[in-house]
Amino acid sequence: GAVVSQHPSRVICKSGTSVKIECRSLDFQATTMFWYRQFPKQSLMLMATSNEGSKATYEQGVEKDKFLINHASLTLSTLTVTSAHPEDSSFYICSAREMDRSNEKLFFGSGTQLSVL
Amino acid sequence: AQTVTQSQPEMSVQEAETVTLSCTYDTSENNYYLFWYKQPPSRQMILVIRQEAYKQQNATENRFSVNFQKAAKSFSLKISDSQLGDTAMYFCAFMTSGSRLTFGEGTQLTVNP
Repeated sequence: GAVVSQHPSRVICKSGTSVKIECRSLDFQATTMFWYRQFPKQSLMLMATSNEGSKATYEQGVEKDKFLINHASLTLSTLTVTSAHPEDSSFYICSAREMDRSNEKLFFGSGTQLSVL
Repeated sequence: AQTVTQSQPEMSVQEAETVTLSCTYDTSENNYYLFWYKQPPSRQMILVIRQEAYKQQNATENRFSVNFQKAAKSFSLKISDSQLGDTAMYFCAFMTSGSRLTFGEGTQLTVNP
């Protein structure tokens, strides 16, 4: 099956710094990628939808200047957490949409645990 | 807006037995997809089973099957012959066009030896 690579898997940073997370579709072209956030023992919350070559669509309550999303190619989307603070500590997961002939499929990355000190 | 509700925060089952996880959803859409995802301790999201709303036949994947009741907006997951490796958080999810997934709160399933 299709593989989505996400890295880093874990990152620890100081408050005020920026962190970039990459999400790559390895063997298919992903016109759309999604970014989710998951707090411990909670569900996945959609943060934004990223379409190749256009601006991301953010969910209500998600600060677009805080969470910068770039989808410059059909195989790569990045999420940059700018000026990170301890409350941004969370598990971030990406997913990529593959369109095949019959239906669409979503594949998930392995996630990134962000810890802001 | 779509909502997905999983009313069982935790479930446990003995190895080799059968367990059913509940899920209800609310939508005004007629065409949509429903999913069950598994998230083990590794936190990797794994697709367990998928159901297209226009199909009346319940989806099955080996030991996993669903009971899809469209009128009742219910989508339960049955796991037969439970195995220790089935221990995980299970999320019910709903998707309409555009691939936006809405997840339920999750059910932590523990399979006991």
